[in-house]
Amino acid sequence: NAGVTQTPKFQVLKTGQSMTLQCAQDMNHEYMSWYRQDPGMGLRLIHYSVGAGITDQGEVPNGYNVSRSTTEDFPLRLLSAAPSQTSVYFCASSSHGQAIYEQYFGPGTRLTVT
Amino acid sequence: GQQVMQIPQYQHVQEGEDFTTYCNSSTTLSNIQWYKQRPGGHPVFLIQLVKSGEVKKQKRLTFQFGEAKKNSSLHITATQTTDVGTYFCAGRGTGANNLFFGTGTRLTVIP
Repeated sequence: NAGVTQTPKFQVLKTGQSMTLQCAQDMNHEYMSWYRQDPGMGLRLIHYSVGAGITDQGEVPNGYNVSRSTTEDFPLRLLSAAPSQTSVYFCASSSHGQAIYEQYFGPGTRLTVT
Repeated sequence: GQQVMQIPQYQHVQEGEDFTTYCNSSTTLSNIQWYKQRPGGHPVFLIQLVKSGEVKKQKRLTFQFGEAKKNSSLHITATQTTDVGTYFCAGRGTGANNLFFGTGTRLTVIP
């Protein structure tokens, strides 16, 4: 099992550019989520999905889009990059039922917007 | 909205000293999880607590969930340099579909 994979590991964008951060998991997990991590602010939830075809907003969804066409993949799209989106982005997955179980995190994508 | 506060933000200890981080929620939680993130790494799951007043131990780590299910703590006995990292709590509100992470406590252990 590869677990949760994320690509790319590093990315530099110019203001206004768009891009997609990829996330995939091979554990057949229903629940997937995207977080951003900024110094002193912990992990903030951007978007999450409880299954294929179902997505919902987290704490900080503005400027990001997601889709969940398959159980395995949960890409995060930056529509028009801004310097405020410079951050480390983590994707996570877990089983989901009456509770959210242990979350498995990917290695992260370090994004810089200039 | 739900908020999960964590204190302290930073903690420096001498190797061998104890360490505690506290997590407080503005709402009742259905469960709480704890994660550890090493410098430059990603969060790794440590444990989940579900029951009111629950206490769980993992070697030198002791985790507690408050009676009201609004707070939790992680205590490390006799810290070692391998304990260095940031410790996060993450809580799920009753009926909620997602987790809210605390701001984390960054632990530095001085040899």
